[in-house]
Amino acid sequence: EVQLVESGGGLVQPGGSLRLSCAASGFTFNSSWMSWVRQAPGKGLEWVANIKQDGSEKYYVDSVKGRFTISRDNAKNSLYLQMNSLRAEDTAMYYCARTKGMDVWGQGTTVTVSS
Amino acid sequence: DVVMTQSPLSLPVTLGQPASISCRSSQSLVSSDGNTYLNWFQQRPGQSPRRLIYKVSNRDSGVPGRFSGSGSGTDFTLKISRVEAEDVGVYYCMQGTHWPPWTFGQGTKVEIK
Repeated sequence: EVQLVESGGGLVQPGGSLRLSCAASGFTFNSSWMSWVRQAPGKGLEWVANIKQDGSEKYYVDSVKGRFTISRDNAKNSLYLQMNSLRAEDTAMYYCARTKGMDVWGQGTTVTVSS
Repeated sequence: DVVMTQSPLSLPVTLGQPASISCRSSQSLVSSDGNTYLNWFQQRPGQSPRRLIYKVSNRDSGVPGRFSGSGSGTDFTLKISRVEAEDVGVYYCMQGTHWPPWTFGQGTKVEIK
């Protein structure tokens, strides 16, 4: 079964940091571009970042550039999102997804930025 | 960036009746490889998004035949031939032709009258 399982969310103060993880199974992870997509409470979907199979290319939405870093460990079939200098507007459910057509999604992990 | 505009944003539908959602892009979604990377997603209440349709009109495995996608260039449509109770949720279009960024429509909320 193709599966993505996110973890690492939580409550953090403005200016703080958090590292999200996504564990992949059931498909060839090292052959897949991977993405992070977020959804603020009651709002729509926003692509955040993605990474090429070997990690050599990374792209970010403008609002997180310089603050978020996407990475992966193909040996562990895992995707990561390091989030620094967090702001209230980063509060959202964060999903990992297989980039090709966004055909596979995880269940999401919640990030709340609040004092 | 490509802007995706959906209409309507709210769609009350009677069970068994058809429903149609429009999605328009700010520029043509025809890729240099000849494909059009326009996908549709369903998000039921409390669930993750699920892809229904890829490359305009291809249904994903397990998606009921009452869902269909059509369109070209900048104008696209998702149709539900006969709405069932399990179809309640928010539907999003997304373009993957001109990236980054990948961009989504605002979402259309389908509810039962």
